[in-house]
Amino acid sequence: DTVLTQSPALAVSPGERVTISCKASESVSTRMHWYQQKPGQQPKLLIYKASNLASGVPARFSGSGSGTDFTLTIDPVEADDTATYFCQQSWNGPYTFGAGTKLELK
Amino acid sequence: EIQLQESGPGLVKPSQSLSLTCSVTGYTITSGYDWSWIRKFPGNKMEWMGYISYSGSTNYNPSLKSRISITRDTSKNQFFLQLNSVTTEDTATYYCARLGVYYGLGYWGQGVMVTVSS
Repeated sequence: DTVLTQSPALAVSPGERVTISCKASESVSTRMHWYQQKPGQQPKLLIYKASNLASGVPARFSGSGSGTDFTLTIDPVEADDTATYFCQQSWNGPYTFGAGTKLELK
Repeated sequence: EIQLQESGPGLVKPSQSLSLTCSVTGYTITSGYDWSWIRKFPGNKMEWMGYISYSGSTNYNPSLKSRISITRDTSKNQFFLQLNSVTTEDTATYYCARLGVYYGLGYWGQGVMVTVSS
């Protein structure tokens, strides 16, 4: 299975720029997607196919990468962005998720 | 507006079968996309379990292949998960979601927590 390794928990101040990384154990082309999940809620799609902003998602969120290295950027971070962020690939079967990066606001 | 809603028992005994329903409104499941089940374990790990495509074909995670079945009722616009021979390790929150391989999991249900316990 393709293993997705995410950066550990992060703590940033509102207004700062934050990057969350996701490294794949093998190439996933650009079939990487990012989700935000808040406690008690279902995941919400933020970025699809590495760099495409999902409908209704603020332009503060952006994604980049291809192959094995991917990044989710939030700039500027707002208090409401406190959540866990997951990456997920749909290139190699079975589809897999990263372990999640918990973002906390200082 | 597309909405998905899971339903089913919240408690299942070990060795029994777990059965969940996902009811879809706002989109016909035979029109496109792959209709998936995903679970989130205590501690945050997420696992894609499998899907049934708009055409009715299925694709399962090999780690579950001998225990899982995903079916549908097109007349009710619903799809179903059956997981056999459950153990306590199947305790998780189960989500149904609409998957586009290019577009990710764009729509999710709110999830149903299932505990496997005697």
